[in-house]
Amino acid sequence: EAGVTQSPTHLIKTRGQQATLRCSPISGHTSVYWYQQALGLGLQFLLWYDEGEERNRGNFPPRFSGRQFPNYSSELNVNALELEDSALYLCASRRTGRYEQYFGPGTRLTVT
Amino acid sequence: GQQVMQIPQYQHVQEGEDFTTYCNSSTTLSNIQWYKQRPGGHPVFLIQLVKSGEVKKQKRLTFQFGEAKKNSSLHITATQTTDVGTYFCAGPVGSGGGADGLTFGKGTHLIIQP
Repeated sequence: EAGVTQSPTHLIKTRGQQATLRCSPISGHTSVYWYQQALGLGLQFLLWYDEGEERNRGNFPPRFSGRQFPNYSSELNVNALELEDSALYLCASRRTGRYEQYFGPGTRLTVT
Repeated sequence: GQQVMQIPQYQHVQEGEDFTTYCNSSTTLSNIQWYKQRPGGHPVFLIQLVKSGEVKKQKRLTFQFGEAKKNSSLHITATQTTDVGTYFCAGPVGSGGGADGLTFGKGTHLIIQP
């Protein structure tokens, strides 16, 4: 089966702009998670979507938001970009009833 | 919030030597998961431990969950170059058993010298 896909691979934005990142889960997976992997900070939980609803969010400001579409794909939006938002953003999906998460290759966001 | 601490941050070993990474939580965990991230890659699920004192093996990898469910370890016997990468432990962010998100340790970078 095809894995989790993310686009774009790389994204360069300037401070104050908005960024949109996209994720397609594995077929049959309804839960989508977003994580930020910044240098020196490890993987930090951002958001969890399931069945089109935001179910949980991590300790991030409201300018990090997103949505999940009827086909279970998801979008992460980051508004008013700051330099410290530069990181690898990883999307993961999970099948209902299972616990393991499958990660995509990530989007490398660089804010200048 | 819940924190998961992982040590060491880096581990250099000679090929063929053993490797161990340790994970500690400030609170009791309902379960703990382990992931591996190869250089330039993304995290890949290895295993989940649920029971107090649980020990699971995958070939040369041995995973343990502490009796108090606050700590865990991953031990690799006779490391090979294919073991290179960062090993992360992860616990649930809340009471949802991990379904509501995972809180990751900062990982242990395994570097193997041939």
